[in-house]
Amino acid sequence: DAGITQSPRHKVTETGTPVTLRCHQTENHRYMYWYRQDPGHGLRLIHYSYGVKDTDKGEVSDGYSVSRSKTEDFLLTLESATSSQTSVYFCAISERQGNFEAFFGQGTRLTVV
Amino acid sequence: QQPVQSPQAVILREGEDAVINCSSSKALYSVHWYRQKHGEAPVFLMILLKGGEQKGHEKISASFNEKKQQSSLYLTASQLSYSGTYFCGTEQDDDMRFGAGTRLTVKP
Repeated sequence: DAGITQSPRHKVTETGTPVTLRCHQTENHRYMYWYRQDPGHGLRLIHYSYGVKDTDKGEVSDGYSVSRSKTEDFLLTLESATSSQTSVYFCAISERQGNFEAFFGQGTRLTVV
Repeated sequence: QQPVQSPQAVILREGEDAVINCSSSKALYSVHWYRQKHGEAPVFLMILLKGGEQKGHEKISASFNEKKQQSSLYLTASQLSYSGTYFCGTEQDDDMRFGAGTRLTVKP
């Protein structure tokens, strides 16, 4: 199994509080992604990174920010959590774009009350 | 933009066949297929590349029509273990977008 770990695995937080989710990899893969999964929407891309300090927005980036100061860590921050951000968040890594498979972390279930 | 998958759900009996379709409005460099069991992370099934090359790890076949920007996943002689939600992923620039998923249920 690919070395990718998400933390925490579960979190309940209050509306308006900041939240940071961590994705850690031991594979030295260049690409890292954050997705959210909601019923009926599948996996939607929030942000992604193509190298240290190189990040870009995905299709549902509003209300989220990311940082990647080291190859192995990709952080997702909800600056001020809202109930609409209640979701399951998945991190994925890929060695290269295109013809290389992506490996997913086990997911973080976030509940905003 | 997310690729579009169809059907949204399908129910089969063991041994029956199924086809899951994926289409995109943008030109595709490759198409990925993943399967997710309930409560688990998505797991890679197959990559289809421009030019017809396929890379897969399971006995599941797929096609990729570059001109039509479409891909289809073929599940033949389905087994109970095939149950799950199938996602297609499409490479667009530097990111990867996934469809909304197709829930496949295989019954005895």
